Amino acid sequence: DQQVKQNSPSLSVQEGRISILNCDYTNSMFDYFLWYKKYPAEGPTFLISISSIKDKNEDGRFTVFLNKSAKHLSLHIVPSQPGDSAVYFCAASANFGNEKLTFGTGTRLTIIP
Amino acid sequence: DTGVSQDPRHKITKRGQNVTFRCDPISEHNRLYWYRQTLGQGPEFLTYFQNEAQLEKSRLLSDRFSAERPKGSFSTLEIQRTEQGDSAMYLCASRQGGIQVEAFFGQGTRLTVV
Repeated sequence: DQQVKQNSPSLSVQEGRISILNCDYTNSMFDYFLWYKKYPAEGPTFLISISSIKDKNEDGRFTVFLNKSAKHLSLHIVPSQPGDSAVYFCAASANFGNEKLTFGTGTRLTIIP
Repeated sequence: DTGVSQDPRHKITKRGQNVTFRCDPISEHNRLYWYRQTLGQGPEFLTYFQNEAQLEKSRLLSDRFSAERPKGSFSTLEIQRTEQGDSAMYLCASRQGGIQVEAFFGQGTRLTVV
C-alpha cells in the first residue's frame, strides 16, 4: 500500500526553466510534508516542508504547494540549476511531523545545461 | 562536523554472518530513526527511539533485526544471519521532538550480502 506516490520516475528540464515535481498521498492523517534531495551514495538532505495549515511555503528558489482536498503537493524550483540534478523524495508524516516519515519512490531530476 | 554520522559507510558480508551498524545522531536530538532503502524505492521506516526507549518497530523488522540506543545517544542496528534480501542502504536520521521539525539523515551504510 503506497501511501505516498511520485508517479514520475524522471524529469528533464532546461537550465533556467521551472522544474515541477509532483506528489500524491492517500492517508488523511498526514499533516506535515517534506521534500528531500538525494545525491548518489549520500543520505537525503532536507529541502523544504509544509504543514497542512498552509497551502504554500517558499524558501529561495524552492516553493512547495499543498492542495489538501486533492491530497496533492508539488515542489517548484525556479530557476533550475545544474546542481539541482538529483533524486527528489516527497515524505509525509502525521501529528505535524512527530511521527515517522513515509516516503514516495522518488523523481530523478536532470537539469540540462 | 555536527551532522548525523554512520559507520561503516560500506559493508560486504557473506550470507549467514551477523553485522552491526552504528549511528551517532546530532547531539541535542532526542529522536533517532532507522530507515532502509533499496534500489528504486524511497526510504522505508524500520524503527525509532525517543531517548533510550524504542517506541515503534515496523513489521519490516524481522526477528533477525535488533536495534538499541543504550544511553539515549548513539544507536546500533544488528542484523543476524544475513540474507541476500538484506542488501540495501541503511539510513539513520535524528530530530528534536516537537512539531514541524525536520529529520536530518546520515550518509547511510551500504550493505551487500554475497
